[in-house]
This record gives sequence, C-alpha cells and structure tokens, in this order.
Amino acid sequence: AQSVSQHNHHVILSEAASLELGCNYSYGGTVNLFWYVQYPGQHLQLLLKYFSGDPLVKGIKGFEAEFIKSKFSFNLRKPSVQWSDTAEYFCAVMFRGGADGLTFGKGTHLIIQP
Amino acid sequence: DVKVTQSSRYLVKRTGEKVFLECVQDMDHENMFWYRQDPGLGLRLIYFSYDVKMKEKGDIPEGYSVSREKKERFSLILESASTNQTSMYLCASNQQGRVSEAFFGQGTRLTVV
Repeated sequence: AQSVSQHNHHVILSEAASLELGCNYSYGGTVNLFWYVQYPGQHLQLLLKYFSGDPLVKGIKGFEAEFIKSKFSFNLRKPSVQWSDTAEYFCAVMFRGGADGLTFGKGTHLIIQP
Repeated sequence: DVKVTQSSRYLVKRTGEKVFLECVQDMDHENMFWYRQDPGLGLRLIYFSYDVKMKEKGDIPEGYSVSREKKERFSLILESASTNQTSMYLCASNQQGRVSEAFFGQGTRLTVV
C-alpha cells in the first residue's frame, strides 16, 4: 500500500532559524504532492502543491518545497521562521490521479520560540 | 471560493447513539472524502465517494458508514458510537478527472461519552 512518512513529529526552533521538514512517500507511479498547515484551533489550509513542471514550488507565507523524484521526497523549507509559523504541518500525496483521495503523513508539530 | 461546510463544529454523544455528520460542498465536485484526525496519527481516510450513491472504503472504515444521495452532500454515520470514535472528523472534496487539490471543511470535534 502507498504510504507517506514525515521524519519529525516534533520540531522546536527559535525565530529566524531555517526550517526543513522531511516527507517521503512510497509509490513508483505519478503523484501529486501537497503540504497542508493547521494553525491552533483552525482548519487545514493548503501551503503549496506540486502537480508537474518545476520541482521547486513556492507557497504562501514564504514556504517552498522541492520534489526529488529519485528520492521519493517532497521536503518543506523556509529560510527564516517566525513565531506565527507555530502549527501542525502535514505532507500529503495524491496517488493514481486522486482516485483514492489524499494519503497523509502523521504530521509534524512545529513550535517556534520567540 | 470553494466552500466545504460541516454541519457541526462540536458534538457530544453517548455511547451507543447513532450519529450523523453532514458535509456539503458548493463547487460541484465529484469526489468527497471523510477523514478522522488524531494526535500522532495524522489524517486517516474513512470512506470516500466518487459519484452519487457510490462509495469506497478507505483505510479505517470499521464502525462507520456513509451516504451520498446528492452530489453536494456526503454524510458520515456512526451506527453505534463508541468512545474510541472520539476524534476530529474532516470532510473534503475535489474535482474528478483533472489535477486538483482537496478542499477541507472546518472539522467536527466529536466526543463520545
């Protein structure tokens, strides 16, 4: 079965530090890739997505992610985090053109210390 | 803007009760999904539907059923609620046949006591 792995379940950083959250998936076919964010008490929001083309995608709030097909990875990055980035981050993969919905990783709880 | 609306933000039900969670989307999406979200487990797919009256089991369908009588509405049913079904339930939808992300509702926090 297809699966999605997020490397870190809890990350604590200081403001202005750089961020990289890892995401890997297991599937050899065509995938669509997403990062969602959930701020405390709020619903899931799309940060960025990759469907095709340039493997480096830019999202909202200064986030970016790079799709590396050979590594089955889609890591999320931000050069300088802010306290307001404290949230839960979910990597998600759409396999087989979306016929089976999105498969999510278990999430990374990011805490930014002022 | 796509809107996926879940009927309740918070619900408290008793063990053994039949529970209905309702979801409506206004973008004419073919696909609709129900997930549950639990700390440390991420989001897990319960059921999804790709057309009216059609349904497919997701990863954790046990204890749940669904109904899709109209394209815009997808209901999740807990036939006999149990305490291990206390969770956050998220509905989502997306368009079939083209590349599109899923849009999520605000979630229903269900507590079974």
